[in-house]
Amino acid sequence: SYELTQPPSVSVSPGQTANISCSGDKLGNKYAYWYQQDPGQSPILVIYEDSKRPSGIPERFSGSNSGNTATLTISGSQAMDEADYYCQAWDSSTVVFGGGTKLTVL
Amino acid sequence: EVQLVESGGGLVKPGESLRLSCAASGFTFSSYSMNWVRQAPGKGLEWVSSISGSSADRYYADSLKGRLTISRDNAKNSLYLQMNSLRAEDTAVYYCARDAAGPTGGGWFDPWGQGTLVTVSS
Repeated sequence: SYELTQPPSVSVSPGQTANISCSGDKLGNKYAYWYQQDPGQSPILVIYEDSKRPSGIPERFSGSNSGNTATLTISGSQAMDEADYYCQAWDSSTVVFGGGTKLTVL
Repeated sequence: EVQLVESGGGLVKPGESLRLSCAASGFTFSSYSMNWVRQAPGKGLEWVSSISGSSADRYYADSLKGRLTISRDNAKNSLYLQMNSLRAEDTAVYYCARDAAGPTGGGWFDPWGQGTLVTVSS
């Protein structure tokens, strides 16, 4: 079965750039999606179709996808960005989520 | 406002059954594929099942196939998940989520409901 691999944790200083990776076989041939989840809250979509931002998501969130890796980039990270982030892709007619990355801003 | 509200969670014993519901509002329900996603305590997201807008296509995670039935009632703007032979490892928050790509799915999940907690314990 298809798998997506994320680093368990990423740390970044306020104002710096955070990069969260998501790896999967030929992931660049699929669309990657990204969700943010605060503790005790439901996930929210932050990036769709590799690099598109939904309305209401700050411009500091961006995405890319090529080869075997999709990347979520948060430029100028803020304390409010501290959360769990999950990538998602489709494999045939089933959905696959990455294991999640806890972003710490300190 | 697009909204999804889950209900039906609770405490059940191993081997019992439970039916979850998700009430949708603020959009044309039949025009979207819908999904169930679960999250065990302290764990990541796990996709459970999806159903197309017309109910013609239904898909399940391999690990759960045979114990679940996803269904929908477009007249009532409602999504359901029937879960049978529940096990302790089914303990999780269950979210419903709209597939924003449309009636046949294959896209991104937006929005998500607030979730309903299912606890399986003797």
